[in-house]
Amino acid sequence: EPEVTQTPSHQVTQMGQEVILRCVPISNHLYFYWYRQILGQKVEFLVSFYNNEISEKSEIFDDQFSVERPDGSNFTLKIRSTKLEDSAMYFCASSENYGGAHEQYFGPGTRLTVT
Amino acid sequence: GQQVMQIPQYQHVQEGEDFTTYCNSSTTLSNIQWYKQRPGGHPVFLIQLVKSGEVKKQKRLTFQFGEAKKNSSLHITATQTTDVGTYFCAGNTNAGKSTFGDGTTLTVKP
Repeated sequence: EPEVTQTPSHQVTQMGQEVILRCVPISNHLYFYWYRQILGQKVEFLVSFYNNEISEKSEIFDDQFSVERPDGSNFTLKIRSTKLEDSAMYFCASSENYGGAHEQYFGPGTRLTVT
Repeated sequence: GQQVMQIPQYQHVQEGEDFTTYCNSSTTLSNIQWYKQRPGGHPVFLIQLVKSGEVKKQKRLTFQFGEAKKNSSLHITATQTTDVGTYFCAGNTNAGKSTFGDGTTLTVKP
């Protein structure tokens, strides 16, 4: 069964450093998402992406964050200058159609630890 | 902005007992989705409800969408230890943004 993959599974970085989290969505999916989940808390929407541009973003997704689809398969989330409070699990998801109409398939997540 | 509230936060049941989690949105929803997240895992899609008053069943799980499309519930009949995890609802508006509820964490005592 096709699945969303994410790398790395765990990333440790120092405060102020840039990180790039990588995702490979399911190949025929057109919509891509990033979510984060702080330990023990709910899943929070960050951004959705379609046709090489951001469709929706939340208040969390400020100028520190950016997303890119650099080639036909990868979807990346960049955090420019990490803060301690960026420590969380980051999930990538993809869907055939807009998440409002179709189920989203989540990847296994990248645990980001900022020290 | 849109808020989605979910209760209870935690539910501990004896195996065989029923379980229900409730989800309420501050705005009318286009649809609602339910996800299950096992400890240490990622959210896995369970179901989507679109129509007002819709009821869907998956084996021991029953999902309902309110008439006003602002609330939803998930009911599990006769829980099993395999049901443990956190159940999230995700409310979707016509704008397409998913807002997840806080989740209900279910533990089942064998």
